[in-house]
Amino acid sequence: AQTVTQSQPEMSVQEAETVTLSCTYDTSESDYYLFWYKQPPSRQMILVIRQEAYKQQNATENRFSVNFQKAAKSFSLKISDSQLGDAAMYFCAYMNRDDKIIFGKGTRLHILP
Amino acid sequence: DTAVSQTPKYLVTQMGNDKSIKCEQNLGHDTMYWYKQDSKKFLKIMFSYNNKELIINETVPNRFSPKSPDKAHLNLHINSLELGDSAVYFCASSPGGGQGSYGYTFGSGTRLTVV
Repeated sequence: AQTVTQSQPEMSVQEAETVTLSCTYDTSESDYYLFWYKQPPSRQMILVIRQEAYKQQNATENRFSVNFQKAAKSFSLKISDSQLGDAAMYFCAYMNRDDKIIFGKGTRLHILP
Repeated sequence: DTAVSQTPKYLVTQMGNDKSIKCEQNLGHDTMYWYKQDSKKFLKIMFSYNNKELIINETVPNRFSPKSPDKAHLNLHINSLELGDSAVYFCASSPGGGQGSYGYTFGSGTRLTVV
């Protein structure tokens, strides 16, 4: 069975600094998708960034980028120029071709003014 | 116009009651899901339906019964509510059929409190 591990329950970063959230996963599949979701206090689940496993190029979305290491089964999220609005729970997620998403336990990110 | 809408947003009820949560999506997606988020924020899939057919049924008590009258709706009915059922329940949808590479679109969640 696939698993997703986020080893950092909480992290803090100074506003305008850069922070990296870690995620590892376990799978025997070669074709899958990875996501980072953000859940602010409003509890809405917001897709931040996605990565297709067959693509070697790391995905980027404005201030958000990932470091995808397929062999190491690692998928970290880098947030540059952190803003107060980035404070939230961040979930790493994995999906097979069966469309079932498995989530990690989340990392709570605090932004320090 | 909300893509995935859940009602109600908050639900407080007594132990032993029966309650339903409704979900509707206007994205034309074929697959819909129910996830439970517990007090520690852990998200776990409960059910998925593809075009009204049950696809995923994780280890969930029989007191939970999903119903999909059409592919745009997936409701969750819970019988004999227990304290441990208190959680946030999320509905989500995706294109399905292996086309979910853009992930799910989530509803805003229903916070269920059983007292």
